[in-house]
Amino acid sequence: AQKVTQAQTEISVVEKEDVTLDCVYETRDTTYYLFWYKQPPSGELVFLIRRNSFDEQNEISGRYSWNFQKSTSSFNFTITASQVVDSAVYFCALSELASNTGKLIFGQGTTLQVKP
Amino acid sequence: DVKVTQSSRYLVKRTGEKVFLECVQDMDHENMFWYRQDPGLGLRLIYFSYDVKMKEKGDIPEGYSVSREKKERFSLILESASTNQTSMYLCASSLEGAPHEKLFFGSGTQLSVL
Repeated sequence: AQKVTQAQTEISVVEKEDVTLDCVYETRDTTYYLFWYKQPPSGELVFLIRRNSFDEQNEISGRYSWNFQKSTSSFNFTITASQVVDSAVYFCALSELASNTGKLIFGQGTTLQVKP
Repeated sequence: DVKVTQSSRYLVKRTGEKVFLECVQDMDHENMFWYRQDPGLGLRLIYFSYDVKMKEKGDIPEGYSVSREKKERFSLILESASTNQTSMYLCASSLEGAPHEKLFFGSGTQLSVL
């Protein structure tokens, strides 16, 4: 069965600290996609990144970076020099290929609080 | 930009009422989804639709039904609302067929069943 686990329920940091959000996944597919979404207090989930299973290159986008390691089935997300606006719930998700309908399986979410 | 609009941000209903949650998207997406979000459980898929009049059960369909009469609109129906259906409901849409297509979400409807 496919599964996504975000073991950190809540994380609290002080502004300018670096923070890493963990994501571990399970799948029997050899081809799959991983995603991160951000849910600010407004409620609407916003897409951050997508990574396919054949591309293990780490990615950096401004203060955000992602570390994909197939050997440990992990897709961790790091925010460098965190800011108050980074406070949100962050979800990791895995695509399910069987039905080819774009269904995503989400982790439990990690609530990040960045204090000034 | 894709816009997914959910009709209500907050909704309060009584146990036993029939409840309709409406979702409209404006980018001609084939796929539409209803998730519910509960603390500690993340997002769980209730139903999804990959075409007009087509629907498939997700992981937790019990107590819910859906309707997709037009491509842009996907309705979630609680036939007889119960207190355990108090939750945040999120609608999403995506392009057809590709597993790597990202989902576009609405802002959610916080439903309270009293």
